[in-house]
Order: sequence, then structure tokens, then C-alpha cells
Amino acid sequence: DTAVSQTPKYLVTQMGNDKSIKCEQNLGHDTMYWYKQDSKKFLKIMFSYNNKELIINETVPNRFSPKSPDKAHLNLHINSLELGDSAVYFCASSQLWGNTEAFFGQGTRLTVV
Amino acid sequence: GENVEQHPSTLSVQEGDSAVIKCTYSDSASNYFPWYKQELGKRPQLIIDIRSNVGEKKDQRIAVTLNKTAKHFSLHITETQPEDSAVYFCAGDDMRFGAGTRLTVKP
Repeated sequence: DTAVSQTPKYLVTQMGNDKSIKCEQNLGHDTMYWYKQDSKKFLKIMFSYNNKELIINETVPNRFSPKSPDKAHLNLHINSLELGDSAVYFCASSQLWGNTEAFFGQGTRLTVV
Repeated sequence: GENVEQHPSTLSVQEGDSAVIKCTYSDSASNYFPWYKQELGKRPQLIIDIRSNVGEKKDQRIAVTLNKTAKHFSLHITETQPEDSAVYFCAGDDMRFGAGTRLTVKP
């Protein structure tokens, strides 16, 4: 059983398109996160939800919008995709916010052409 | 949020040598200090963590030490092996990550 799963694993799309990445965790965790990892391997937190409430909203273009329909899901919607959005996006979850181990999904490699 | 600085950015060692990676943090109230390993093309995974009520924790060849006075914590890998080659990240207790250290272990 996969603990944190994201779909799709690969996503190639043209500039200007709108796309979504889905994330689901079956660990019963309260907190979920989205990270962006660029080509230099920096792992930058984008958003964090705790019990479906947004608690971290880093300086991210408002083209990025997270949606948490329930505690087990945190989806990422991206409007008007730009070349600079190309990266690997990781979803993660933890039992509590901070102070506990985070479990990561396998990542979604987004390529904008 | 917590500001975590990680050094060095790259580290190359011979197999069998030790490797040390250091992170400094800014918030003296921080109380959880994890280290993650990310192999090429894989997801980050926790390898060891420490809480502020202890100064050192070991798990076989890896250890983490915490100096609360100086506000830094370090990852120590002894008897390095080629499979230790990866990017290592420290994180603050708000889940913001350091910049990462690319460790290369040469056979």
C-alpha cells in the first residue's frame, strides 16, 4: 500500500495551460504539504494544510492554488503555466504540523514547453 | 518561519571516511531537528531526527548531534559507503528545508 501517492508522475504541457496534480495519503495524518524542487535540488515549501486549514502559504504566485477536499487529499492546481514552473513537485504528509516525520510522495515531474 | 542554513553544499569523501554536514537555525524555540536523504530520482526520506531534550542520537553508522546554545545540529556518517551518495537535507520543525548537501562517496 502506497502511503502518499501523487498523480500523475510525469506531466508535459504547453505554456498557458492549466493543470492539476493530485495527492492522497492513507496514513491518517492531519497535515499535508506541497514542495517544489527545482533543477538545483532546492526543496521549497509552497503550502501546508492542517486539518484542511491552510497554515503555510509561502510566496508563491497566485496561479498556484491548493485544494484540500478532506484530510486525506491535497491537490495542486496551476493556472497559466510558465516555463519557470518546470520542476518536480512533491506532496508530503505528517501526523502533526511540524515536529514529526514527513512522508513524501514519489513526485510529479512537470515540464512546461 | 524558521531559517535553516546548511553547509557544505557539496561534499566528496573516500569510501570508509566520515562525513559531517551542519545546519544552523535561528529560532531558539525549535525543538525538532530531522535529516532527510534523497537518492537520485527518488523522494526524500527521513533517516534520523533528534528532539531538543537530547544532545546526540545514533543509528548504526549515522548520528545527529545538537548544540542548542550555538543553535546548530549536525549529521555524522561514519564508514561511508558508495550507497551513501545522495543529497541530504536538514529541516526546521516548521518543515522548511535547508539548501541540501550533495554527498559523493568515491569507491
